[in-house]
Amino acid sequence: GDSVTQMEGPVTLSEEACLTINCTYTATGYPSLFWYVQYPGEGLQLLLKATKADDKGSNKGFEATYRKETTSFHLEKGSVQVSDSAVYFCALSDNTGRRALTFGSGTRLQVQP
Amino acid sequence: GAGVSQSPSNKVTEKGKDVELRCDPISGHTALYWYRQSLGQGLEFLIYFQGNSAPDKSGLPSDRFSAERTGGSVSTLTIQRTQQEDSAVYLCASSTGTGNVHEQFFGPGTRLTVL
Repeated sequence: GDSVTQMEGPVTLSEEACLTINCTYTATGYPSLFWYVQYPGEGLQLLLKATKADDKGSNKGFEATYRKETTSFHLEKGSVQVSDSAVYFCALSDNTGRRALTFGSGTRLQVQP
Repeated sequence: GAGVSQSPSNKVTEKGKDVELRCDPISGHTALYWYRQSLGQGLEFLIYFQGNSAPDKSGLPSDRFSAERTGGSVSTLTIQRTQQEDSAVYLCASSTGTGNVHEQFFGPGTRLTVL
């Protein structure tokens, strides 16, 4: 079945540091890929998405590129802020049937001032 | 506009009791999902409703779990004879159910604690 693997956390960075959170997936067909973010005390929010190979999703300074050849969707940001501290989930959705999300285990990011 | 709402936000129950969790999706969204977020299992799919079609129950962990959706809107997830391993945050999400990519909007969740 489909699966998503993302790097273990927690990741601790200083403000303005570069961020990369690795995500790889296994899926049949051509899934859509997502990054969701969960801020402390809040619900899951969609951060960005990509629906086909070589698409780049971007939002709030975060980017991720759908790489079919390496089955990856790494999340990147050039300069993190304290307000980016949250748990980040990589997810995929198959494009047939129910389109339920398969999530990675989540990566906690802590940004220190 | 209003997002997905869930109630209660917290529920503490004793082992063996039944609980009902409620989800109000975004108005007009035909697709509704339940997920469970637990320390041991991460985020996992439970059940999916699309319009008036029969639900996809393939993610329900046992026959103690059931869900219904009335009038194509509000959904209730019921857990019978709760066990301690049912303790988790139960998340509801809805989407338009149309188009190429079904972006899902999540509610704040119900934190269930089984003592």
